[in-house]
Amino acid sequence: NAGVTQTPKFQVLKTGQSMTLQCAQDMNHEYMSWYRQDPGMGLRLIHYSVGAGITDQGEVPNGYNVSRSTTEDFPLRLLSAAPSQTSVYFCASSLGRGEETQYFGPGTRLLVL
Amino acid sequence: RKEVEQDPGPFNVPEGATVAFNCTYSNSASQSFFWYRQDCRKEPKLLMSVYSSGNEDGRFTAQLNRASQYISLLIRDSKLSDSATYLCVVYGTASKLTFGTGTRLQVTL
Repeated sequence: NAGVTQTPKFQVLKTGQSMTLQCAQDMNHEYMSWYRQDPGMGLRLIHYSVGAGITDQGEVPNGYNVSRSTTEDFPLRLLSAAPSQTSVYFCASSLGRGEETQYFGPGTRLLVL
Repeated sequence: RKEVEQDPGPFNVPEGATVAFNCTYSNSASQSFFWYRQDCRKEPKLLMSVYSSGNEDGRFTAQLNRASQYISLLIRDSKLSDSATYLCVVYGTASKLTFGTGTRLQVTL
C-alpha cells in the first residue's frame, strides 16, 4: 500500500514551459486535491475532485488545469509556467471532504526560472 | 484578518518541557478542527482531531474554545522528535479546509 505518490520530486522549468505533475493513490479515496505551499502563506487549495470525472476550482486555480479520468490518478498541469508558480506542490486524498483525514503525497518542488 | 492565525514561532524548548500552541479562526460556522504535523521538507500528517470536549493522545492534548474561536495544542514532556511545524487546520462552510501557516517547534537537549 503506497498511499499517495507524486512525481517528479523536483523540477526546474523555464518561464513559458508546460508540464504535468503526477499524483496517484491506492486507497480508493474519492476525494483528491492539489495544494501549493509557499513561505508564510500556508497550504492553499488549487483544484480538487470529489470523484472520477468531477473537478472543481479551489482558492488559487489560475494557471493550472486538472482532470480525473480514474479514481486513482489526479494530474496537475501547468499550462505556461511563471516564476510565481515556484512552490512546493502537495497532492492529497481522503475518504470525504475536509472533515476527513487528508493523506498527503511527499510533494513536488518546482522552480520556475 | 487571516481565516486561521498561528504564532509562527519558533518555540525553542528543552527536552522534557511543556509547550502550548494557540490558533485562532475567524469563521464562527467552522465545523471541524485538526492539528497536522509537518517535518522539515516533508508532507503534513494528521496529528489529531480537536473535539469540543477536548481530547488527549498520549503526551498531546487538544482543546477547542468555540466561544473565543481558538484551538490549542499542549505537548507535555517534549522529545527531540517533536521538533516540527504544527499546522492548525479548520474545516468550515462551503466544505473548505483552511490551513494556518504553522508554528515551528524546536526541542533541544
